[in-house]
Amino acid sequence: EPEVTQTPSHQVTQMGQEVILRCVPISNHLYFYWYRQILGQKVEFLVSFYNNEISEKSEIFDDQFSVERPDGSNFTLKIRSTKLEDSAMYFCATETGRWFFGPGTRLTVL
Amino acid sequence: QQQVKQSPQSLIVQKGGISIINCAYENTAFDYFPWYQQFPGKGPALLIAIRPDVSEKKEGRFTISFNKSAKQFSLHIMDSQPGDSATYFCAASLYSGNTGKLIFGQGTTLQVKP
Repeated sequence: EPEVTQTPSHQVTQMGQEVILRCVPISNHLYFYWYRQILGQKVEFLVSFYNNEISEKSEIFDDQFSVERPDGSNFTLKIRSTKLEDSAMYFCATETGRWFFGPGTRLTVL
Repeated sequence: QQQVKQSPQSLIVQKGGISIINCAYENTAFDYFPWYQQFPGKGPALLIAIRPDVSEKKEGRFTISFNKSAKQFSLHIMDSQPGDSATYFCAASLYSGNTGKLIFGQGTTLQVKP
């Protein structure tokens, strides 16, 4: 079965630094998502992306967050100035009526 | 209301037993109800899913029961095995415009004892 891939698997950064999380969606899928899971909590929707623009974003997805599909294959999530509370697993997903999740990037903000 | 409420928070079952996890929702606009299995350090993996026009769906040892009038759905794992020990999330999808989103329940940590 085709897979969503994500890099890096673990990112450690200092508070206030910028991070970029990368995802390679399943080829030919058109709908992309980022979700977040704080340790021990449920998976939360961050943003959906279609046709090179944001379709919907949650309250979590504030001005510090941005998404981009820079080259037609990668899908990135940028956090401009990380905060301690941004520490979480970040999952990329694609959807064709069912959602396919990547393995996640563990972001640790120190 | 976009919440999906899941119970119990944790569950311990003996090998060979039946594991039952329940979820409830309020929003009748939800139109797709998947269950995900998650192992530590991994992403959620789709286990089984149902649409509201069906009351039950079975795939191997996993069954979803769906009660549209009560706005409830449940996952039954028959003949539970130690390898089933994981966190299980119910979810519901909601579409707005071109894209949908999944609303997840709080998760149930299942431990199957040998």
